[in-house]
Amino acid sequence: ETGVTQSPTHLIKTRGQQVTLRCSSQSGHNTVSWYQQALGQGPQFIFQYYREEENGRGNFPPRFSGLQFPNYSSELNVNALELDDSALYLCASSFAGGQQETQYFGPGTRLLVL
Amino acid sequence: GEDVEQSLFLSVREGDSSVINCTYTDSSSTYLYWYKQEPGAGLQLLTYIFSNMDMKQDQRLTVLLNKKDKHLSLRIADTQTGDSAIYFCAVVRGSTLGRLYFGRGTQLTVWP
Repeated sequence: ETGVTQSPTHLIKTRGQQVTLRCSSQSGHNTVSWYQQALGQGPQFIFQYYREEENGRGNFPPRFSGLQFPNYSSELNVNALELDDSALYLCASSFAGGQQETQYFGPGTRLLVL
Repeated sequence: GEDVEQSLFLSVREGDSSVINCTYTDSSSTYLYWYKQEPGAGLQLLTYIFSNMDMKQDQRLTVLLNKKDKHLSLRIADTQTGDSAIYFCAVVRGSTLGRLYFGRGTQLTVWP
């Protein structure tokens, strides 16, 4: 069974640029959630995708957008990068439809915006 | 206040028990989780408890839930230096299923 994978592991961008982060969900999972973890903080929910549609969104501006593909993998896109976007971005996959939807996390992508 | 609160630091000696505490505000919280994060890594699921339970034991880990006080704790028996990490409490609210609300994490340091 393959766990959640994310790419790239690290990324450096400059303010105003755009970035795409990728996530492959765990085998058998159909839902992907994205979280932002700033230094010294707990993860904050960005949004969740189920059946290729956004299924819940946290308090993040529209320049944070995402996609889910038919194979349940997902992308997180961030436009017009700001310095405060520097963080660890975590992807979590789960199976929607069971009694409970435990989320399993990938290793994260560390984004630095200069 | 914050949705989920944890104390930031805990230090214990190797072999002792560690108890990490968490309080939450939403009484509709259904599932409550403990995750572990080692330096530079993602989150590793340790255990979870459903809101209709008051205790769950899994090897060295014991989770206690007091729904009345909205208090969750994680006890690690015979703590080892490899247990040094940040431990996050996370809850799922009944109103926003699928979304995890995290505390700021407790940095556990285990001294040999």
